[in-house]
Amino acid sequence: EAGVTQFPSHSVIEKGQTVTLRCDPISGHDNLYWYRRVMGKEIKFLLHFVKESKQDESGMPNNRFLAERTGGTYSTLKVQPAELEDSGVYFCASSQGPGRVGYTFGSGTRLTVV
Amino acid sequence: AQTVTQSQPEMSVQEAETVTLSCTYDTSESNYYLFWYKQPPSRQMILVIRQEAYKQQNATENRFSVNFQKAAKSFSLKISDSQLGDTAMYFCAFMKYSGAGSYQLTFGKGTKLSVIP
Repeated sequence: EAGVTQFPSHSVIEKGQTVTLRCDPISGHDNLYWYRRVMGKEIKFLLHFVKESKQDESGMPNNRFLAERTGGTYSTLKVQPAELEDSGVYFCASSQGPGRVGYTFGSGTRLTVV
Repeated sequence: AQTVTQSQPEMSVQEAETVTLSCTYDTSESNYYLFWYKQPPSRQMILVIRQEAYKQQNATENRFSVNFQKAAKSFSLKISDSQLGDTAMYFCAFMKYSGAGSYQLTFGKGTKLSVIP
């Protein structure tokens, strides 16, 4: 079975620009999560989708971040406008059930804002 | 709020030897789950091992085992017969029900393990 796919693997943008990250979960996984690791800090939860609905978005840092999961399949995370502090690695993960047995993570998108 | 502490930013071990990575956590919860994930240079986060807090028996997965001390809030990972492919960043993580319909992971900062030939 194909794993969790994220692209691009690396993105370099200028401050003020817009970037859209995409995540394709494992087929059949209703639960999709976004996490991120900014430089030197812990990996932090951003939000959780169940199918197309946002179940928990308590970790979203501010309204410059917009996540969608149209049709309950792939998800996008848009940052608009990007700021320097948004640089880091953005991870997507999916799980079939609620996640207690652990998620399957993607390889992440490294975002660099210059 | 839960916190996870990995006190060893970097470690190294000779191939075929045994190494133990430390992890402590702080929580007032009684039901939770603990995980070790590894992130090799390929950057894919891979689940290594999982422990349910209500289980007293320590989890094992082939060469990987944990020492779970619930009262001490300690969850160390032991890697036996270390192999070059074990070189990776290792993250300890705590999971509980968030109360908002979600099981969230709280991660430590990670331990970078290098296996030396």
